[in-house]
Amino acid sequence: GENVEQHPSTLSVQEGDSAVIKCTYSDSASNYFPWYKQELGKRPQLIIDIRSNVGEKKDQRIAVTLNKTAKHFSLHITETQPEDSAVYFCAACGPNDYKLSFGAGTTVTVRA
Amino acid sequence: GAGVSQSPRYKVAKRGQDVALRCDPISGHVSLFWYQQALGQGPEFLTYFQNEAQLDKSGLPSDRFFAERPEGSVSTLKIQRTQQEDSAVYLCASSLVRDRAEAFFGQGTRLTVV
Repeated sequence: GENVEQHPSTLSVQEGDSAVIKCTYSDSASNYFPWYKQELGKRPQLIIDIRSNVGEKKDQRIAVTLNKTAKHFSLHITETQPEDSAVYFCAACGPNDYKLSFGAGTTVTVRA
Repeated sequence: GAGVSQSPRYKVAKRGQDVALRCDPISGHVSLFWYQQALGQGPEFLTYFQNEAQLDKSGLPSDRFFAERPEGSVSTLKIQRTQQEDSAVYLCASSLVRDRAEAFFGQGTRLTVV
């Protein structure tokens, strides 16, 4: 089955700086890569996703890049704010197109 | 409702007790998923429904776990004879269309088996 690895496990950044989280996946047939943000005790919220027919997608301060050859994708958050502090999960979806395989998560702390 | 609703939010069960966890998906959503999230880990897939049909139950950890969605909307995840390793957050998610992973999650039920 699909195996998703996520790094780093924790990330502390100064407010205003950028944060980058990287994920690798094992199944070359995977074609859907969402990112979820989960605040303590709350539901995972989809913040951005990318499909394998594009290499980059941007939505205001967040962007995701995908390198299908290397089987890795990354989340970039620019101009970080304290409200960006949360656990971020990457995921990949295999050829059956419904089962998400998640990374272990990155705890992001934005220091004011 | 506006989002996926799960109940109860918290459940403490004595070892050996049966529990039932409820999920109300977003109205009209065809697909429904259950995931298990252990402390400090990402969610892990348990099972998938398309309307009332359970198309994939490959992630259910044992035959003590059973899920149903009899009328294609509300779903129940039942765990029989709970054990300590069942302690986790159980997340439900729904998706508007079939076979698509763009899912919206509920807040989960935190199950603690003592």
